[in-house]
Amino acid sequence: QVQLQESGPGLVKPSQTLSLTCTVSGDSIISGSYYWTWIRQPAGQGLEYIGRVYPYGNTDFNPSLKSRVAMSVDTSKNQFSLKLTSVTAADTAVYYCAREGVVGLAYYHDYWGQGLLVTVSS
Amino acid sequence: DIQMTQSPNSLSASVGDRVTITCRASQSIASFLNWYQQKPGIAPKLLIYAASSLRSGVPSRFSGRGSGTDFTLTISSLQPEDFATYYCQQSYTTPMYTFGQGTKVEI
Repeated sequence: QVQLQESGPGLVKPSQTLSLTCTVSGDSIISGSYYWTWIRQPAGQGLEYIGRVYPYGNTDFNPSLKSRVAMSVDTSKNQFSLKLTSVTAADTAVYYCAREGVVGLAYYHDYWGQGLLVTVSS
Repeated sequence: DIQMTQSPNSLSASVGDRVTITCRASQSIASFLNWYQQKPGIAPKLLIYAASSLRSGVPSRFSGRGSGTDFTLTISSLQPEDFATYYCQQSYTTPMYTFGQGTKVEI
């Protein structure tokens, strides 16, 4: 059973950098044709796709966040990470990591972490 | 960006009811449409991918249909554990996926 777990600070000050890590268990992060993604959800609102990273370093980001986002993979620890710079209160949300699978050309998110609430406040 | 609009925003139903949720895309997305179920405080759970493919382990009372711009998720006989919020997601514009605003199914 694939499991994902987010970790990182729950409180970040405005203008600083949000840094989160997702630890994958039950599968090797480089074992298959999967992307590893971040998705966020502000309280009481819908879901926003942040971006994805392929185990060998390729990344794709939501254009609305692209200038502030970086993602990376640590294959030795079976982890991947998110950095979001210059945060504001608008970045306050539950952040989920998820596995992105594909069948043919149909992509989907089949395994998710439990989510981590990150609050941006001074 | 492709906009995804769900209807209704919420609905009231009873155990045993047949429930249908609609998702409309602002442009054609072929069959690149997924459905997720989310309960309060819990991560979304994939139910259906590629518009009509039921994920392994998901009860057969869930079904999806549609292509192009109009899609539906149907629960044939609502069970107590199905009260949740449902989201559609388009995966046509890889990787700029967008989600619908959600439909809350409540008693």
